[in-house]
Amino acid sequence: DAGVIQSPRHEVTEMGQEVTLRCKPISGHDYLFWYRQTMMRGLELLIYFNNNVPIDDSGMPEDRFSAKMPNASFSTLKIQPSEPRDSAVYFCASSPGGSTEAFFGQGTRLTVV
Amino acid sequence: KQEVTQIPAALSVPEGENLVLNCSFTDSAIYNLQWFRQDPGKGLTSLLLIQSSQREQTSGRLNASLDKSSGRSTLYIAASQPGDSATYLCAAHVISGTYKYIFGTGTRLKVLA
Repeated sequence: DAGVIQSPRHEVTEMGQEVTLRCKPISGHDYLFWYRQTMMRGLELLIYFNNNVPIDDSGMPEDRFSAKMPNASFSTLKIQPSEPRDSAVYFCASSPGGSTEAFFGQGTRLTVV
Repeated sequence: KQEVTQIPAALSVPEGENLVLNCSFTDSAIYNLQWFRQDPGKGLTSLLLIQSSQREQTSGRLNASLDKSSGRSTLYIAASQPGDSATYLCAAHVISGTYKYIFGTGTRLKVLA
């Protein structure tokens, strides 16, 4: 398996624009996680899914953020409208479930100007 | 609420030294504890996974221990090399009514040649 695949790797957008980040988890993994990493706050869990269903979105900072998982092989994180403070690296991770490890993608570096 | 702390925040050592990185967590109800390495601008690479029933795991020059009762894990790096320079993150995989990986803020390690 190619691992967790995220796209794009880098995104630069203007304030107010809509941004969509994409993730393909490892095949067969039942859990998918979205994290945000900043210098100030480290790695924060935004939301996670189990079998395509959102389970805990308590980390989603505002209504401007939304995440979907329409099927087992694809998830999106959308920010609309984007703001400069959303600039961060966004990671997607997946896990098979049970007491197992999490596997991370390479991340999307988002810059909002 | 699970909180994970890592000390020191940064560490600089000469090549060849043995060193210990610390990770503390507040809730002992965990599936496991995972150590990651992150190089600048890169994703997270899993180093070691310790199940809650285990005391330690070893991989090459790395040894990770877990003491659930005291809420502590350590990552021991033997005979450090400049190539070990990176940020090391620990993550507690929590059980309590959820399925989250909660991260510490990391230890930034620099090994001097």
